[in-house]
Amino acid sequence: GNSVTQMEGPVTLSEEAFLTINCTYTATGYPSLFWYVQYPGEGLQLLLKATKADDKGSNKGFEATYRKETTSFHLEKGSVQVSDSAVYFCALSDLGRDDKIIFGKGTRLHILP
Amino acid sequence: KAGVTQTPRYLIKTRGQQVTLSCSPISGHRSVSWYQQTPGQGLQFLFEYFSETQRNKGNFPGRFSGRQFSNSRSEMNVSTLELGDSALYLCASSLAAGDNQPQHFGDGTRLSIL
Repeated sequence: GNSVTQMEGPVTLSEEAFLTINCTYTATGYPSLFWYVQYPGEGLQLLLKATKADDKGSNKGFEATYRKETTSFHLEKGSVQVSDSAVYFCALSDLGRDDKIIFGKGTRLHILP
Repeated sequence: KAGVTQTPRYLIKTRGQQVTLSCSPISGHRSVSWYQQTPGQGLQFLFEYFSETQRNKGNFPGRFSGRQFSNSRSEMNVSTLELGDSALYLCASSLAAGDNQPQHFGDGTRLSIL
């Protein structure tokens, strides 16, 4: 079945550091891929998405490229801020199957000032 | 436009009781999904409703049930509560089911079982 695996946290970085959160997926169809962010005390928010291979999603300085050859969708940001501290979830939705959204377990990110 | 609204935000119950959680989707959204979020299991899909019909169901026992009303508002019910049901329950809405579009989430209901 479909699944999403993302790196375990917590990830602790200093402000202005480069961020990578790895995400790989398994899917039998042609899924859309998403990154969601959950700030403390809040629900999930869509951060970015990509719907086909080689698409790059971007928002708020974050980027992720849909790599079909490596089944990956790694999240990157060139210079993180304290306000980026949150939990990040990689997710996929496969229209060809049951189109439920499947989430990774989340990666907690701490940014130190 | 108002976002997804979940009530209540916090709830404390004891084992054996039952609970009903409410979710009001974004206006015009007809699909509502429910998720359970726990530190150990992460986010797990409970069920999805569209046009008052359950379309998909996750791997949860029958104690977990839901329904959707004609105005697309949805309720989730958990009966005979167990300690392991303590979690954040998230509701998400989207315009239509099966459109492969990202879902919009509420802030969740945090349920604690004593």
